[in-house]
Amino acid sequence: QVQLVESGGGLVKPGGSMRLSCAASGFTSNDYYMSWIRQAPGKGLEWVAYIRNSDSATYYPDSMKGRITISRDSAKNSLYLQMSSLRAEDTAIYYCARGQGSSSWFGAFDIWGQGTLVTVSS
Amino acid sequence: DIQMTQSPSSVSASVGDRVTITCQASQGVNSWLAWYQQKPGKAPRLLIYSVSTLQSGVPLRFSGSGSGTDFTLTISSLQPEDFATYYCQQANSFPYTFGQGTKLELK
Repeated sequence: QVQLVESGGGLVKPGGSMRLSCAASGFTSNDYYMSWIRQAPGKGLEWVAYIRNSDSATYYPDSMKGRITISRDSAKNSLYLQMSSLRAEDTAIYYCARGQGSSSWFGAFDIWGQGTLVTVSS
Repeated sequence: DIQMTQSPSSVSASVGDRVTITCQASQGVNSWLAWYQQKPGKAPRLLIYSVSTLQSGVPLRFSGSGSGTDFTLTISSLQPEDFATYYCQQANSFPYTFGQGTKLELK
């Protein structure tokens, strides 16, 4: 069964760090574009990180650059998001998502995890 | 950044109605436009990619159209399970951006 399972969320103090994990099963995550997308409570969706399948090139929105790093471990078939200097406005559900199409990138995300909640509060 | 603006922000409709949601991009996104459905407490579900291509398993009552900066999602005959929030998303350029969402509610 093709699925993504996130873990690592929880409560963290402002200025703290957190590492999220996303375990893939039923497919090889290295073969796909992968992203992290977040959703603040009661709000819309916000893309926060992307890693390309061919060369592991990474992209981030300017608002997150320097504070987050996306990475992958092919041996564990897993994706990670390292976050630092966390702020209250980073409070959100963080989803990992698979880019639709391993050989052709259509710009959409076809498989999503259930999400992991990160709460930044003192 | 490309801004994605959806309208309406919310809409009330009845089972069997035809509903159209629009998404306007602040600049052209070519065919890099997708639509998602999200129900409370659940992850988004991909409905349509490349403007009009239906994702596998998505009912045929969903359709997408448009070009350049203006796009639409149409549900031809609403079913009870379609009441949810819908988002458009562009992947023409980084940062990828989503619309603010359209909440489809039961009248």
